[in-house]
Amino acid sequence: DAKTTQPTSMDCAEGRAANLPCNHSTISGNEYVYWYRQIHSQGPQYIIHGLKNNETNEMASLIITEDRKSSTLILPHATLRDTAVYYCIVRVLINQAGTALIFGKGTTLSVSS
Amino acid sequence: ETGVTQSPTHLIKTRGQQVTLRCSSQSGHNTVSWYQQALGQGPQFIFQYYREEENGRGNFPPRFSGLQFPNYSSELNVNALELDDSALYLCASSPYGTTDTQYFGPGTRLTVL
Repeated sequence: DAKTTQPTSMDCAEGRAANLPCNHSTISGNEYVYWYRQIHSQGPQYIIHGLKNNETNEMASLIITEDRKSSTLILPHATLRDTAVYYCIVRVLINQAGTALIFGKGTTLSVSS
Repeated sequence: ETGVTQSPTHLIKTRGQQVTLRCSSQSGHNTVSWYQQALGQGPQFIFQYYREEENGRGNFPPRFSGLQFPNYSSELNVNALELDDSALYLCASSPYGTTDTQYFGPGTRLTVL
């Protein structure tokens, strides 16, 4: 079962910041939060990940609350090409060695001009 | 640098048949994970391969099996196909082992009639 909850859909105006929330209240101390996005049933595209600290890369910023029970993905200047399904994922350990991404249903972000 | 590739792109099979899907990991990536994505749902973890051995498995029956080869490429085999096996099958590879970030291929769309 998914360990995250996200709003089903969100809208954003082109050029504005898109802030996508995610709740992961049952996350364990060593489990990472990952964000991917998927456009038109293509393969999911990696965006960013974090454990405790806030992270930033060329695509987005990830803000994780101090208690790690929620996080927010920020796309600073949304464009039409950012329209996609965004998945907030908890990466879990499997068999004490491997890892698996546990996807929920994601948030459909619609960016309009 | 070539990313993760999958073949074939699309496939149509009949219930009861067997199917083999193929994945070539990104150059230098030694871990491969497979996911199943039904229409309108997030991807579900099937299994992960590392050093040619299954490293972990999700909630899928034994008729889903796999292989990893010395060049790190991988196959997903599904026996006794059922209608519910119709889905997008995604392969993801990781560069530094089982706990590193996974990068997805474009997927294979399987339709079972």
